[in-house]
Amino acid sequence: AQSVTQLGSHVSVSEGALVLLRCNYSSSVPPYLFWYVQYPNQGLQLLLKYTSAATLVKGINGFEAEFKKSETSFHLTKPSAHMSDAAEYFCAVSEAGNTPLVFGKGTRLSVIA
Amino acid sequence: GAGVSQSPSNKVTEKGKDVELRCDPISGHTALYWYRQSLGQGLEFLIYFQGNSAPDKSGLPSDRFSAERTGGSVSTLTIQRTQQEDSAVYLCASSLDGGGDTQYFGPGTRLTVL
Repeated sequence: AQSVTQLGSHVSVSEGALVLLRCNYSSSVPPYLFWYVQYPNQGLQLLLKYTSAATLVKGINGFEAEFKKSETSFHLTKPSAHMSDAAEYFCAVSEAGNTPLVFGKGTRLSVIA
Repeated sequence: GAGVSQSPSNKVTEKGKDVELRCDPISGHTALYWYRQSLGQGLEFLIYFQGNSAPDKSGLPSDRFSAERTGGSVSTLTIQRTQQEDSAVYLCASSLDGGGDTQYFGPGTRLTVL
């Protein structure tokens, strides 16, 4: 069975500082991995995804994530936080084939001016 | 182009009543998913439709929950005899195909059961 663990339900960073949101997964087969962002009262928007191509994945809004099989991790980073990055971020996994997403509990990112 | 739409955006109902939630996927997408988002449980998978195959209902929490997808497009999630623990945001997503394809989410329906 698949599972996702997001370390830290709430992360607070200063504007301009590095953003690091942690995600570890468990999967019995090579996974597909996703990061989604949710702004207040909105649906989920895809930031980036890993589907067994390059291990460093670049997404929208300056975010990127690196797939590390040995660490079963897929941490999300951004070099410099903006106020507009404040939102909830979800890491998700699915196995190859027709399976739905399994989500982590989410991490709320606050950006301090 | 048009994204995934859901209606209503908000629904308030009384305990014991039935409710129907609607999802219009992106045109041409063969896969459609329903998820539930609640404070205590996070984001949970409910049901998945892929083309003409039998739906994957493994995430439905009880037999009060059902869903159908007509003509391979619009889907309706029905909750019978609603309970207070059904209060949540119900999210619909669609993808071009299953397995690994990006799922595009609608804005959700916020259900409140009084």
